[in-house]
Amino acid sequence: QSALTQPRSVSGSPGQSVTISCTGTSSDVGGYKYVSWYQHHPGKAPKLMIYDVTKRPSGVPDRFSGSKSGNTASLTISGLQAEDEADYYCCSYAGRPYVFGTGTKVTVL
Amino acid sequence: QVQLVQSGAEVKKPGASVKVSCKASGDTFSSYHMHWVRQAPGQGLEWMGILKSSGGSTTYAQKFQGRVTMTRDTSTSTVYMELSSLKSEDTAVYYCAREVVDIYHFDHWGQGTLVTVSS
Repeated sequence: QSALTQPRSVSGSPGQSVTISCTGTSSDVGGYKYVSWYQHHPGKAPKLMIYDVTKRPSGVPDRFSGSKSGNTASLTISGLQAEDEADYYCCSYAGRPYVFGTGTKVTVL
Repeated sequence: QVQLVQSGAEVKKPGASVKVSCKASGDTFSSYHMHWVRQAPGQGLEWMGILKSSGGSTTYAQKFQGRVTMTRDTSTSTVYMELSSLKSEDTAVYYCAREVVDIYHFDHWGQGTLVTVSS
């Protein structure tokens, strides 16, 4: 199972929006509604931000939203804030195994 | 409050084995699966396998089959991940992560355990 493809980095100024793509295949992203996104600050545990493509866990700001079209899922951060600077990983259920994305570093300028 | 607390950092020589523990608290141990995910230096997250709640069955990523064993002790709500025949490329932070049965995402993570493989 190959890793899902994400851009290496994206950046934006405070208040702007950024979108991270996550491209897989019909065997993972395209084949299931179980795409999740994790925020990872270095040295800390990853944090669930989006699950089931579009759902937000309790406590996650509504600035974070998810979508999917075909074999590509996306995470959008609207109204970018300094604390959003982190690495972000998508993850797709692929029938056990799971597969993670390559990771995207979000930089707040 | 759900907590997953992992064992401390380890330093191992090539060819040795390491066993990392993950103790769960704050919820019913039997109601979730446990996964192991690792992150090598400068690399992304990598799914290693799952230990299922019912009967403790396992599924491992093909890359680790034959080298990884995931087990549990239900009396102490602790899961274990043992990786054998260690190589320098196994140097990584290893995380346990919880999946409430069949919801297909990881809602709680351990703090991570650094395993360093060096001669």
